[in-house]
Amino acid sequence: AQSVTQLDSQVPVFEEAPVELRCNYSSSVSVYLFWYVQYPNQGLQLLLKYLSGSTLVESINGFEAEFNKSQTSFHLRKPSVHISDTAEYFCAVTLNSGNTPLVFGKGTRLSVIA
Amino acid sequence: DTEVTQTPKHLVMGMTNKKSLKCEQHMGHRAMYWYKQKAKKPPELMFVYSYEKLSINESVPSRFSPECPNSSLLNLHLHALQPEDSALYLCASSQDKGSSYNEQFFGPGTRLTVL
Repeated sequence: AQSVTQLDSQVPVFEEAPVELRCNYSSSVSVYLFWYVQYPNQGLQLLLKYLSGSTLVESINGFEAEFNKSQTSFHLRKPSVHISDTAEYFCAVTLNSGNTPLVFGKGTRLSVIA
Repeated sequence: DTEVTQTPKHLVMGMTNKKSLKCEQHMGHRAMYWYKQKAKKPPELMFVYSYEKLSINESVPSRFSPECPNSSLLNLHLHALQPEDSALYLCASSQDKGSSYNEQFFGPGTRLTVL
């Protein structure tokens, strides 16, 4: 079975500073990897995904994540955060076949400080 | 229309009440999901429907009863809930293409409080 570990439950960072949210996964077969963001009192939004191809994936709002198979990691980075990035971020994994359910990590609360 | 809608947004109910949560999508998706999310926790899968048939039930208590009356609609019927069932209930949908990747689109959720 797959599992996801998000090593940091909370990450405070000053505005315009860089940030990295860490995610490691465990699976004996190939997987798809995702980062979801959840703003306060809202549902989940897909931030970015790795399915295949280039190991570096980018979102439209400046986040990027790199799939590292040897380290089984999919860390999320942003070079300069904004107050509006304050949210809960979930890393998730699913098997790369059919409608297998998403398995989520426990989440990382990113708090951007002015 | 690339949206999953959920009603109501908030629901407060007593332990003896019967209520229902509703989820709707018009993206032509044939797979629909219910997740439960407790405060400060990740979403946990409850049920998956594929082509209006229940395909996954993650050992959810029978006081939660899902229903998929058609390909656009997913209900969750609630009866005799406990206070610990208070949570955000998220609905999601995706295409069902067999071996292909199927992105899940999430609704905003229904925040349920059981008194």
